[in-house]
Amino acid sequence: ELKVEQNPLFLSMQEGKNYTIYCNYSTTSDRLYWYRQDPGKSLESLFVLLSNGAVKQEGRLMASLDTKARLSTLHITAAVHDLSATYFCAVDITLGNQFYFGTGTSLTVIP
Amino acid sequence: EAGVAQSPRYKIIEKRQSVAFWCNPISGHATLYWYQQILGQGPKLLIQFQNNGVVDDSQLPKDRFSAERLKGVDSTLKIQPAKLEDSAVYLCASSLGYLTGWRETQYFGPGTRLLVL
Repeated sequence: ELKVEQNPLFLSMQEGKNYTIYCNYSTTSDRLYWYRQDPGKSLESLFVLLSNGAVKQEGRLMASLDTKARLSTLHITAAVHDLSATYFCAVDITLGNQFYFGTGTSLTVIP
Repeated sequence: EAGVAQSPRYKIIEKRQSVAFWCNPISGHATLYWYQQILGQGPKLLIQFQNNGVVDDSQLPKDRFSAERLKGVDSTLKIQPAKLEDSAVYLCASSLGYLTGWRETQYFGPGTRLLVL
């Protein structure tokens, strides 16, 4: 079974600081997604990464994909309180018609 | 544009009872997904429909869970009989269509919170 692991699981950071969330997966895939979930809310799509080397940026968030290393990163630049949420990566294994979410990273940005 | 609608938002039942959830996807979206999200975990895909046909139900516990999507629009997910471990949030999502073998951006509904006592 495919494993999608995120690191760290919990992250507390001060406003203005930078940090990176890592997403590792255990089988071949060249499609990776990042979602945000606020407490008690549903999921919001952030990024879709479709090929090796893909990089996408939106505001203070930047996501990248290295399919050879089976690794995606979500980099946070100059964090602000509004970024506090849980972030999930998800991997698409098309041949098996399977779609797996990671364990999630709970981010708290402290003023 | 209206989002994905789900009902009910909350449901409390006793074990061995039955329960059903309803989902109305975004208009024009051919693909519909049901997920189970247990507290503290990422969502787990239960079943995926393309129009009214099932694309993937490999992780659906078919002895107690069933789902249908009549006429390729609304969908219902049923649990019969419920177990304590079914307590979770059930999320419905939709996307335009399963084109060229990859999944497009999914839009999620607010979810139904189920508590089984």
